[in-house]
Amino acid sequence: EADIYQTPRYLVIGTGKKITLECSQTMGHDKMYWYQQDPGMELHLIHYSYGVNSTEKGDLSSESTVSRIRTEHFPLTLESARPSHTSQYLCASSGGHAEAFFGQGTRLTVV
Amino acid sequence: AQSVTQLGSHVSVSEGALVLLRCNYSSSVPPYLFWYVQYPNQGLQLLLKYTTGATLVKGINGFEAEFKKSETSFHLTKPSAHMSDAAEYFCAVSRAGGTSYGKLTFGQGTILTVHP
Repeated sequence: EADIYQTPRYLVIGTGKKITLECSQTMGHDKMYWYQQDPGMELHLIHYSYGVNSTEKGDLSSESTVSRIRTEHFPLTLESARPSHTSQYLCASSGGHAEAFFGQGTRLTVV
Repeated sequence: AQSVTQLGSHVSVSEGALVLLRCNYSSSVPPYLFWYVQYPNQGLQLLLKYTTGATLVKGINGFEAEFKKSETSFHLTKPSAHMSDAAEYFCAVSRAGGTSYGKLTFGQGTILTVHP
């Protein structure tokens, strides 16, 4: 079944640690996105990619970085996690349609 | 620039009652409009979308929305609420065109509570 997967679903990590949030999709979509969602708030686009080796920053400034080496894979990395990075991170993809398809999210807590 | 305003962060209805969630948008270009639903600890699921054509769009689970350009609105309705409709609902807008696919601007969300 075509889908979009995020791992881990939950992550609690100490300040200063390097973390990578994984996102993979099996829908063959060329466009992929990362959104950040703080509790009780709207989602904000932080990164997007139109294809392999293409990455752009979104509307909300983020200290995270992304890479797109394979079409199906779009990981997000924080080199040194801080409590201000505590949030939910949602990965999405889009093909030939206007809508985005979302993964189940990674809830990150930095202590 | 685009923006979305959802009127009412919390809406409470009785089971069987009409559901009305309000969304107004601002866009300098013809918009694409979406409603997504989010259940606790889950991602977002698309309920319905408007791109072009008929302004009344029907979605999953009995929901529908009407695009009203003159009012810059895209309100979500369902004639009869069910307990399983309790969730958070997000209205979103994007620009028309392939390069804008998936680049969404979201509203603040509306939490729908359904009472027995």
